[in-house]
Amino acid sequence: KAGVTQTPRYLIKTRGQQVTLSCSPISGHRSVSWYQQTPGQGLQFLFEYFSETQRNKGNFPGRFSGRQFSNSRSEMNVSTLELGDSALYLCASSQPSAPNEQFFGPGTRLTVL
Amino acid sequence: DQQVKQNSPSLSVQEGRISILNCDYTNSMFDYFLWYKKYPAEGPTFLISISSIKDKNEDGRFTVFLNKSAKHLSLHIVPSQPGDSAVYFCAASRPAAGNKLTFGGGTRVLVKP
Repeated sequence: KAGVTQTPRYLIKTRGQQVTLSCSPISGHRSVSWYQQTPGQGLQFLFEYFSETQRNKGNFPGRFSGRQFSNSRSEMNVSTLELGDSALYLCASSQPSAPNEQFFGPGTRLTVL
Repeated sequence: DQQVKQNSPSLSVQEGRISILNCDYTNSMFDYFLWYKKYPAEGPTFLISISSIKDKNEDGRFTVFLNKSAKHLSLHIVPSQPGDSAVYFCAASRPAAGNKLTFGGGTRVLVKP
């Protein structure tokens, strides 16, 4: 079974731009969660989607948004990028029978200049 | 407010010996706990989990202990191998509240041959 895939793996943007990151979960997994990892704040939960609905949201500003498609693929969008948005963005998926055992993708490394 | 803490940022251990990683939490509503291992430039890999109804769970070389009254969990790796050198994160969740994982800051483990 293929793992969680994320595209692109690396991205460089400038302040004020917007960015869209993509995540394809493991086949059969319907829940997709997004996390941000930075050296200062560690791994922080952004949001979770299940059956195309946002089920949970972390403490991030409204510039961070996401969506999930009918095939469970998910995208997250960050608008008006700030320098502090530079981070590793991780996507994780889980299956209904084991919802808390989340499997992570390799992440997208976003650098904001 | 850090609800999950790993107070040891690093740990060095000799190959073949036991590695003990510790994690403390403050939110008594957490009832499911997980350990992840992370190599550089990769996403976290699920290792082992434990529900709050148990105090021990074992999987091969990995054992997780949970002390609910102390709000403390630990991961034992026996015997430690050089390939275990990585950053280890503990995470906690409230399954009733969805799939949000709250992570500790991580412990970097170095296993010396």
